[in-house]
Amino acid sequence: QKEVEQNSGPLSVPEGAIASLNCTYSDRGSQSFFWYRQYSGKSPELIMSIYSNGDKEDGRFTAQLNKASQYVSLLIRDSQPSDSATYLCAVISSSGSARQLTFGSGTQLTVLP
Amino acid sequence: GAVVSQHPSRVICKSGTSVKIECRSLDFQATTMFWYRQFPKQSLMLMATSNEGSKATYEQGVEKDKFLINHASLTLSTLTVTSAHPEDSSFYICSAQMGVFHTFGSGTRLTVV
Repeated sequence: QKEVEQNSGPLSVPEGAIASLNCTYSDRGSQSFFWYRQYSGKSPELIMSIYSNGDKEDGRFTAQLNKASQYVSLLIRDSQPSDSATYLCAVISSSGSARQLTFGSGTQLTVLP
Repeated sequence: GAVVSQHPSRVICKSGTSVKIECRSLDFQATTMFWYRQFPKQSLMLMATSNEGSKATYEQGVEKDKFLINHASLTLSTLTVTSAHPEDSSFYICSAQMGVFHTFGSGTRLTVV
């Protein structure tokens, strides 16, 4: 069983729409959750971190965490073509050493003009 | 913010030669750095965890004699791909840890011909 799972997509949304990205994780003791954006040929860049149940908003991005359901999501409002990228969910597992990140397989998002 | 510099960004080498990739934390000290490999359309795969002043911890299936990691200071870790083969061609990415945050280098595209 994969430790972090994401819908691989691809996901296509029209410009201006809300993009919804989902992630589940297997380690119930995980405490730290991250969303990274990766453009083709580039390294990942952190866009959101969340540690507590509920919503966390930053500009057009909202991360949602539900530890009981072991579920974390990312909403992108007013999606722009520049949001087209692969979005990686990452978790710091309680069982991992040195606080290493465990990544999901990524969801490829395309925002259509 | 934290910056991690990774060099070179792109390298082409002949089969059988060795290639060294450098990862530097520019404005913070990183006791732990991580090395990842990413094949096309796949997620990041952790290769090893590098701790300053001690031997790296390699993930299962990663040959430590082929992928030499040195973390001689709090700001520098190097990955040397020895006796490179075409199947080693990949995107190699380092990250440096500060607290729970991981800052990624820009990545190195290695092509072995």
